[in-house]
Amino acid sequence: DSGVTQTPKHLITATGQRVTLRCSPRSGDLSVYWYQQSLDQGLQFLIQYYNGEERAKGNILERFSAQQFPDLHSELNLSSLELGDSALYFCASSVIPGTNYEQYFGPGTRLTVT
Amino acid sequence: GENVEQHPSTLSVQEGDSAVIKCTYSDSASNYFPWYKQELGKRPQLIIDIRSNVGEKKDQRIAVTLNKTAKHFSLHITETQPEDSAVYFCAVDSGGGADGLTFGKGTHLIIQP
Repeated sequence: DSGVTQTPKHLITATGQRVTLRCSPRSGDLSVYWYQQSLDQGLQFLIQYYNGEERAKGNILERFSAQQFPDLHSELNLSSLELGDSALYFCASSVIPGTNYEQYFGPGTRLTVT
Repeated sequence: GENVEQHPSTLSVQEGDSAVIKCTYSDSASNYFPWYKQELGKRPQLIIDIRSNVGEKKDQRIAVTLNKTAKHFSLHITETQPEDSAVYFCAVDSGGGADGLTFGKGTHLIIQP
């Protein structure tokens, strides 16, 4: 167990809908990362937050957004869902940003868009 | 952006033998090279990492080597056991001060009894 928690574990929804995925980082970690894992795209970095502020963006679609709250939990919002958005969404956390600090992954949320 | 190539995509070895997985990357500014192990349906689990000021790092049966000049790094697993069967991913920090990781496509390691 990495100490990173994610809810829900599974989510099934229809095309065009909007969902929110939630992540709580390890105790003491200030930085949160979101990744998407799909069969065709592999593991892709989406976005990073540090202490409530956006720090880096990866391959995140405009239909997706995220935020980190004062208690350091983070939410990833996915809207106008398409079949291709079906994937595993992982959250990871680290103490602070920077390559001296390891990223630990949560158990993931499996999103199925029908 | 960063590009990470990982080989092989599938590796089958006899229990007790060694396994080697190789990755190359494109951005010379990258400084951090972790390896993750992922079992089916589970989270990626950090197993070892190396930073650009170190050429080799070992942790029991697992070792990682880094050649910054050639921009490649490798994972070595010795005395393989059935529980080593999983998908292994190499990753590289995005360079330029960004901290998101760029992952290779993964290697499915199969340990034959």
